[in-house]
Amino acid sequence: AQSVSQHNHHVILSEAASLELGCNYSYGGTVNLFWYVQYPGQHLQLLLKYFSGDPLVKGIKGFEAEFIKSKFSFNLRKPSVQWSDTAEYFCAVNAYNQGGKLIFGQGTELSVKP
Amino acid sequence: EPEVTQTPSHQVTQMGQEVILRCVPISNHLYFYWYRQILGQKVEFLVSFYNNEISEKSEIFDDQFSVERPDGSNFTLKIRSTKLEDSAMYFCASSIRTGDYEQYFGPGTRLTVT
Repeated sequence: AQSVSQHNHHVILSEAASLELGCNYSYGGTVNLFWYVQYPGQHLQLLLKYFSGDPLVKGIKGFEAEFIKSKFSFNLRKPSVQWSDTAEYFCAVNAYNQGGKLIFGQGTELSVKP
Repeated sequence: EPEVTQTPSHQVTQMGQEVILRCVPISNHLYFYWYRQILGQKVEFLVSFYNNEISEKSEIFDDQFSVERPDGSNFTLKIRSTKLEDSAMYFCASSIRTGDYEQYFGPGTRLTVT
């Protein structure tokens, strides 16, 4: 069965610090990979996705993620966080060609101190 | 920008009662989903729906659950006889296609079963 693991439950950073959130998945086949974000009081929205091609993908608001197939990882990064990045971040996996079901990680809560 | 909407935002019900959670997906989307998140746990896939029938369902989605698209705009999740463990945030999502296509999430309905 597919599963997704996010390494950190809660991350606290100061503004301008660099961010890296870990995500590993368990699935033997081809996958589509997503990072979703949920800002306080808002609904889940897509930050970025990977489905093929360049394993380094760029998303909105300066976020990027790198797919490393050999490590089954899709880590999210941002060079310099802002207070407005305070949110919960979810990694999700979809098995290629097997419908739209998303398997989510447990989420990482990011708190950025001004 | 088009949004997925859900009603009600919060539903309180007694154990054993039936509840219907409502969603209005984005109008040109063809694939519809329900997910749920029990407090402190992962977002879990419940069911996907396409062309007026269930495409896939999880083992959570047992006989007490059903989904329907009663008209051209609404997508509903019915729980026939609620249990305490059904208390969760229920998210509706929609997408144009499956796979690597973004799923757009609604704000969720918080269901509390007492």
